[in-house]
Amino acid sequence: KQEVTQIPAALSVPEGENLVLNCSFTDSAIYNLQWFRQDPGKGLTSLLLIQSSQREQTSGRLNASLDKSSGRSTLYIAASQPGDSATYLCAVTSGTYKYIFGTGTRLKVLA
Amino acid sequence: GAGVSQSPSNKVTEKGKDVELRCDPISGHTALYWYRQRLGQGLEFLIYFQGNSAPDKSGLPSDRFSAERTGESVSTLTIQRTQQEDSAVYLCASRSGTGRVQETQYFGPGTRLLVL
Repeated sequence: KQEVTQIPAALSVPEGENLVLNCSFTDSAIYNLQWFRQDPGKGLTSLLLIQSSQREQTSGRLNASLDKSSGRSTLYIAASQPGDSATYLCAVTSGTYKYIFGTGTRLKVLA
Repeated sequence: GAGVSQSPSNKVTEKGKDVELRCDPISGHTALYWYRQRLGQGLEFLIYFQGNSAPDKSGLPSDRFSAERTGESVSTLTIQRTQQEDSAVYLCASRSGTGRVQETQYFGPGTRLLVL
């Protein structure tokens, strides 16, 4: 059974700092991995999607890497801003439609 | 509308009552998901609809939970005889369902259910 773990559970950093969020999964036979952002009282917004054949994806100040063999992904946020404060969730798919989510990392960026 | 909408946004009910939650997916999206998110937890898959295919109900936690969707339109999630452990945020997501590997899910804002 696939299990997804995210470390740390919560993180508080000063504005401007670069930071790394971690996601690990127990079954390396994944189809893709996706990072989402969840703001309080709102649904999830997709940030980056990495196919199993890819090593990383970048969007603006965000960079996500995938090491499928070791069951790990990292989300790197450069020059963090207070607007980045949210919960970040990673999810993996082992088929084409069912996603298994981690419990998230709650990020707070202090002005 | 431009995104996935859900109603009601909040629902408070008494233990033992039935509740019905609604999801309006993005127009044209053939795939629709329901998830449950308990406080401080990740998303728990409940059910998946893809077009007119039989839904994947493998995530429904008990026979008190059921969901329907007609074609590619609105979906309703019904919880009968609600229990306090049903208190959670129920999230709906839709996807175009064309099978392309780059597809992502688009989430609604969720319905916050509190069972007293």
